[in-house]
Amino acid sequence: DTEVTQTPKHLVMGMTNKKSLKCEQHMGHRAMYWYKQKAKKPPELMFVYSYEKLSINESVPSRFSPECPNSSLLNLHLHALQPEDSALYLCASSQGPGHNYGYTFGSGTRLTVV
Amino acid sequence: AQSVTQLGSHVSVSEGALVLLRCNYSSSVPPYLFWYVQYPNQGLQLLLKYTTGATLVKGINGFEAEFKKSETSFHLTKPSAHMSDAAEYFCAVSDQELTGGGNKLTFGTGTQLKVEL
Repeated sequence: DTEVTQTPKHLVMGMTNKKSLKCEQHMGHRAMYWYKQKAKKPPELMFVYSYEKLSINESVPSRFSPECPNSSLLNLHLHALQPEDSALYLCASSQGPGHNYGYTFGSGTRLTVV
Repeated sequence: AQSVTQLGSHVSVSEGALVLLRCNYSSSVPPYLFWYVQYPNQGLQLLLKYTTGATLVKGINGFEAEFKKSETSFHLTKPSAHMSDAAEYFCAVSDQELTGGGNKLTFGTGTQLKVEL
């Protein structure tokens, strides 16, 4: 299995809703990432989990809450989002501790906040 | 922090023509460099990477890139464009190795490749 699986593929939520994005990989990768990508822009790093511990939070608002229940799963909990949070949310994983490894990306969750 | 600059937000080529997408990096240490491709409404797929060793790197789908330290460049090429190559291409640099594992990729602004008949 060489894939990163993200669910759901599309999500529409109101500003008062609570929802979660899910990401799963079975490649034995020990680092997992959440990126946010606005239209026509490059991905921007949000969070990094390494060995199931949060190692990077790029000053992301608290309405985004990441969770890593185990080495294969990564969640992003959403609450009280704003319309400007509408974007493609990408999950990725990388093999090991070195920074010579590239990422394997999921196909993303297209989020629309109304 | 390390960064990459992609010259040309849009590139248009004819089918069968050479593809050249430009990327320059800024780094005070030997960089780790990557090219990714993104098709509409998809995630990013790794095309190739440069870490150490051979400066000419071959990737998937017939793409290759050459690391030129003297020019701080890592341009992506393909000898003959195909319609299926139309996509967004991102150059990226591995910014740092994170304590405890993982690394931070910083992306360029992307180049949209259009392939015309």
